[in-house]
Amino acid sequence: GAGVSQSPRYKVAKRGQDVALRCDPISGHVSLFWYQQALGQGPEFLTYFQNEAQLDKSGLPSDRFFAERPEGSVSTLKIQRTQQEDSAVYLCASSLSGSTRVYEQYFGPGTRLTVT
Amino acid sequence: EDKVVQSPLSLVVHEGDTVTLNCSYEVTNFRSLLWYKQEKKAPTFLFMLTSSGIEKKSGRLSSILDKKELFSILNITATQTGDSAVYLCAAPWSAGGTSYGKLTFGQGTILTVHP
Repeated sequence: GAGVSQSPRYKVAKRGQDVALRCDPISGHVSLFWYQQALGQGPEFLTYFQNEAQLDKSGLPSDRFFAERPEGSVSTLKIQRTQQEDSAVYLCASSLSGSTRVYEQYFGPGTRLTVT
Repeated sequence: EDKVVQSPLSLVVHEGDTVTLNCSYEVTNFRSLLWYKQEKKAPTFLFMLTSSGIEKKSGRLSSILDKKELFSILNITATQTGDSAVYLCAAPWSAGGTSYGKLTFGQGTILTVHP
């Protein structure tokens, strides 16, 4: 079946531009996560949605980062006034709810953002 | 703050070799440890370990958890070039009985298998 998809796969932005990254989770997956992965590092948590509710945004690095999932399926991560330090791969993951299934996260291919 | 540390950071072997990747963790309210394989971009789920001393196995890959010493190992036997990837270990965050899957990842081990 279809996995998690993300678009665009690559994005080059000039410093100061706004960008929007899209994630289509697996159908029926309640939980949705955004992670940021810098080169040579493991992914770092940004934010979590359960259906349309954003229950944890503790990992968002600044108020320039905003995420939404208005209908409980597709999610968008928006970065305003991009800075060079925002250059990274942004990964989206989804999972079923439940005490153990929630840990089996299925990741999308990521969006590689380069800020010049 | 939860912490996951992997070693070595990189490893180069030849086909047929056996490798052991290490993951140590300091996690409040430990629930489980997960291993992922990352090729190109998307990490793919390998194992979830919750009980100490019970080996999980899938083909040539196996993993075990030691909750007393706070570490896990991932073994790959008879390595193949297709095993070349970044291997990530992660621990879910948990507080007050609540855990929803927020993961803390290690920095990964880059495995390169030469023919």
